[in-house]
Amino acid sequence: QKEVEQNSGPLSVPEGAIASLNCTYSDRGSQSFFWYRQYSGKSPELIMSIYSNGDKEDGRFTAQLNKASQYVSLLIRDSQPSDSATYLCALNTGTASKLTFGTGTRLQVTL
Amino acid sequence: DAGVIQSPRHEVTEMGQEVTLRCKPISGHDYLFWYRQTMMRGLELLIYFNNNVPIDDSGMPEDRFSAKMPNASFSTLKIQPSEPRDSAVYFCASSLGTGDGYTFGSGTRLTVV
Repeated sequence: QKEVEQNSGPLSVPEGAIASLNCTYSDRGSQSFFWYRQYSGKSPELIMSIYSNGDKEDGRFTAQLNKASQYVSLLIRDSQPSDSATYLCALNTGTASKLTFGTGTRLQVTL
Repeated sequence: DAGVIQSPRHEVTEMGQEVTLRCKPISGHDYLFWYRQTMMRGLELLIYFNNNVPIDDSGMPEDRFSAKMPNASFSTLKIQPSEPRDSAVYFCASSLGTGDGYTFGSGTRLTVV
């Protein structure tokens, strides 16, 4: 089992809809969870962090964490074409500062 | 702040040549990370430093790869000799401390022919 698993997609959603991106992980000791957005040809950009069970909202983005079920998700409300990118899930495994990344989910927001 | 600065942006080299990638982290960030990204394997951690000291180099593929951080504002990743399978985008990232997210540099796209 991979340490961090994401569906590679592409996930296609119409403009204005909610996009739901999911990530599962294997290390129960993980404490810090992050979502990065990466546009084609660009570097990953941090968009959300979450450390405790439950939901965390920031504008159109909501991160959800369930440590018992070992999954973290990202909801994007009112999806825009500019949200089209690859979304990477990352979390610390073992040593606190070392992040392990999933392979990413490609999101396409269609007009 | 100018962010994490990497150079060069692109590097094309012939197999067997030495390649040196450079990184300037964000001032005040105690952690510096080198990652490699390919379509097949995604983002892989190569090595990371804390306060200029290498902490974990278990991701360095083999002895051809080496990394240094002589001071808090500069790090290098060297490949000698380079091989076509080293072709990838190499990212440098820095962070304040444990539990913090990273800030990535723009990356170096390396092509070894």
